[in-house]
Amino acid sequence: AQSVTQLDSQVPVFEEAPVELRCNYSSSVSVYLFWYVQYPNQGLQLLLKYLSGSTLVESINGFEAEFNKSQTSFHLRKPSVHISDTAEYFCAVSEPPRDDKIIFGKGTRLHILP
Amino acid sequence: ETGVTQSPTHLIKTRGQQVTLRCSSQSGHNTVSWYQQALGQGPQFIFQYYREEENGRGNFPPRFSGLQFPNYSSELNVNALELDDSALYLCASSLGQGGSEQFFGPGTRLTVL
Repeated sequence: AQSVTQLDSQVPVFEEAPVELRCNYSSSVSVYLFWYVQYPNQGLQLLLKYLSGSTLVESINGFEAEFNKSQTSFHLRKPSVHISDTAEYFCAVSEPPRDDKIIFGKGTRLHILP
Repeated sequence: ETGVTQSPTHLIKTRGQQVTLRCSSQSGHNTVSWYQQALGQGPQFIFQYYREEENGRGNFPPRFSGLQFPNYSSELNVNALELDDSALYLCASSLGQGGSEQFFGPGTRLTVL
């Protein structure tokens, strides 16, 4: 069975500092990997996804994540965070070819300090 | 283009009661998935409907049931409510059986007393 572990429940970081949100998964088969963001009082939004090809994937707002098969990781990074990045971030996995039955991690709350 | 909408926004019920939550999918989408997000947890997959048929189910008891209508809107029904059913219930719509992004609604917050 697939599972996702987000090692940090909360990550405080100063504005304009870099951040890494960690995610490890377990699966006996190949996987699709996702990062979703949930802003306060809003629904989940897809931030970025890895399906195949380049192991480095990027979002339009400066986040990136790298699929590392040997370490079964898909950590999310941003070189400089903004106050508007305050949100809960969920790492998720699904089993190809279906990318719509998604297993989520418990989430990491990103808290931006002024 | 209208996004995914859910109703009601908030709901309070007591143990043993039944509840129906509603979801309108995004225009053009024929697949609806339901998730339960308990406080401090990630969403957990309940089930999915594709073209009015159940198309996969997570580890939830039979008292969690659903429907999808010809216009692809959907209902989630929960019978014999338990305290642990208190959660945010999220609906997501997509096109087809995989291969397209799921778009999530804002959720319905259910409190069971």
